[in-house]
Amino acid sequence: EVQLVQSGAEVKKPGESLKISCKGSGYSFTSYWIGWVRQMPGKGLEWMGIIYPGDSDTRYSPSFQGQVTISADKSISTAYLQWSSLKASDTAMYYCVRRDSGWHWDYWGQGTLVTVSS
Amino acid sequence: QSALTQPASVSGSPGQSITISCTGTSSDVGSYNLVSWYQQHPGKAPKLMIYEGSKRPSGVSNRFSGSKSGNTASLTISGLQAEDEADYYCCSYAGSSTYVVFGGGTKLTVL
Repeated sequence: EVQLVQSGAEVKKPGESLKISCKGSGYSFTSYWIGWVRQMPGKGLEWMGIIYPGDSDTRYSPSFQGQVTISADKSISTAYLQWSSLKASDTAMYYCVRRDSGWHWDYWGQGTLVTVSS
Repeated sequence: QSALTQPASVSGSPGQSITISCTGTSSDVGSYNLVSWYQQHPGKAPKLMIYEGSKRPSGVSNRFSGSKSGNTASLTISGLQAEDEADYYCCSYAGSSTYVVFGGGTKLTVL
């Protein structure tokens, strides 16, 4: 069974750094792109970027380029999303997603809630 | 403002059919047959319902169907059931600079 299991909820202060994770199982982790999707409170879905764990090829949405860093450690089948300096506006639910052969997302993690507040 | 435009809300009675539109541009919906649709119940992760315009993943009811005309994609749900009440999002590939765009979402209410 394909699963994407994300790390737990985080509460951080503005200016702090953060790295959240997404562990894939039940499939060949290095053969599928993994993406990240943001959902701010009460709002819609926003695509952030993707990484191919096989060779770490990474693509970012222009809206998130330079704001976050996507990485992966294929040895432990885990993808990451990180911030160097959080802002209150980063408060959101973040989902990791698996990209199927086309540009669609067939499996979703359970989400990681990030709250940034002073 | 989202890249793809969806109605904020639609409603229908059990047994009826409804259609949700998703309007993009010639740079996304109009150029690629790569529109997907997602269903999201409150407090849950989204679920893939339609991909590549009209294909259904295994396990998704055949009451859900997708189509496209020009720059507008559509999701039709026939034989509405109470469990269909949820938010629905469209998504499209948008080329090698933007990559992916989502619609703003449509809240479906089953009356």
